Order: sequence, then structure tokens, then C-alpha cells
Amino acid sequence: GAVVSQHPSWVICKSGTSVKIECRSLDFQATTMFWYRQFPKQSLMLMATSNEGSKATYEQGVEKDKFLINHASLTLSTLTVTSAHPEDSSFYICSATRSAGVNNEQFFGPGTRLTVL
Amino acid sequence: AQKITQTQPGMFVQEKEAVTLDCTYDTSDQSYGLFWYKQPSSGEMIFLIYQGSYDEQNATEGRYSLNFQKARKSANLVISASQLGDSAMYFCAMREGAVRASKIIFGSGTRLSIRP
Repeated sequence: GAVVSQHPSWVICKSGTSVKIECRSLDFQATTMFWYRQFPKQSLMLMATSNEGSKATYEQGVEKDKFLINHASLTLSTLTVTSAHPEDSSFYICSATRSAGVNNEQFFGPGTRLTVL
Repeated sequence: AQKITQTQPGMFVQEKEAVTLDCTYDTSDQSYGLFWYKQPSSGEMIFLIYQGSYDEQNATEGRYSLNFQKARKSANLVISASQLGDSAMYFCAMREGAVRASKIIFGSGTRLSIRP
């Protein structure tokens, strides 16, 4: 199957700093990528839909100035958590959909665990 | 309104038994897709099975089958002959519309524990 990578796999940062998380589709082109956040023992909550070459679409309640998303190429989307605070500590997962192929293909990255001290 | 409902927060099953994980959904779209994912403690999301709203046959993938009852808006996952490695969180998810790039929404999940 197709491979999606995330970098870093985990990060610890101080409160007030910004953290960038990368999501890459390694062997296919992804017009659309999705960013999810998952708190412990909870489900995945969709944060935003990232479209190559255009602005991301944020879900209700997600601060777009806090969570900056850039999808500059067909294989890379980045999520930047600006001025991170302890409440931003979470597991962030991206997923990608092929630009071509069958409708059920949605590939997930391994996730990034963010801890803000 | 909650779109995907998983009413079983946790389940314990004896090894080698079959298990059914419940999922109901709510949508007004005629075209949609239903997914099941497995999430072990490592956090990775593992795709298990997919059912399209127009698929007449229930989807099957090895030991996994999806009991799709469209009129009842349910998409239960059946795991036959459970194994210790099946212990994980299981999420039901839905994509509304026929567009591949449409977002997928997840249910709250069911934690499945297999007893030896």
C-alpha cells in the first residue's frame, strides 16, 4: 500500500515556541491531505483539510492562526502549531488521499506526539 | 449531531471467538463510504475494510467482514476467530459524498481486548 510519513514522530517543546510537523506522501501524489488531533483515549478529531496550492479548510472551533497549514506540493503538507501551550499537547495524525485511484484509499501517517512543557 | 456512533466503549472477548463491533451512522447523502480502522497502542491507523453505499454485497477482507444494513444505517464490523493481536482500538468512520477528497469523520471508538 501507499506510504505516508510524518516528521518528527515525537517532539517536546517549551510553552510559547512554535512547532512544525511534516506530512509526506512517499510514493504517490496527494491533492488533499487531512490533519487530525487525538487526545488520550479519545477519537480522532478532524482539524483541517489541506489542499495543494490553496488555503486549508478548517473545522469549526479550530483556530487557523494557531494551527497553520501549508500544502505547497503534491507530496508535502505541514502543520505549524504556533505559540504552543500545554493544552496543545496531543497526538497529531495526517492522512492523504491519492490524486487518482479508487475511492476507498485514505492513507494515514504514523502520527506525531507533541508535548508542550 | 453525531454522525458516527459506536456504543461499545470497551469489549472483552475470548480468543478464537467471533466478535461484532457496532457502528451506526447518520447521513442524508445517497453516496457515502464507511470505513473501519484499527489503532494499536503504537498509534498507527490501520485500514481494515471499506463499504460503499452502493455496494450490494457486504465487504469482506480476510477475517474481517462488514455487516452493512443500509435501511438501519448500521455498519457493524465482524471479526472471526479473534486473535490476541486483535486487541486494539477500533474506529468506524464515514466519508459523505462521492468525492475522493471528502473528509472522513470518526466515531468514538471501541477498545477490544482479547483474552487468552
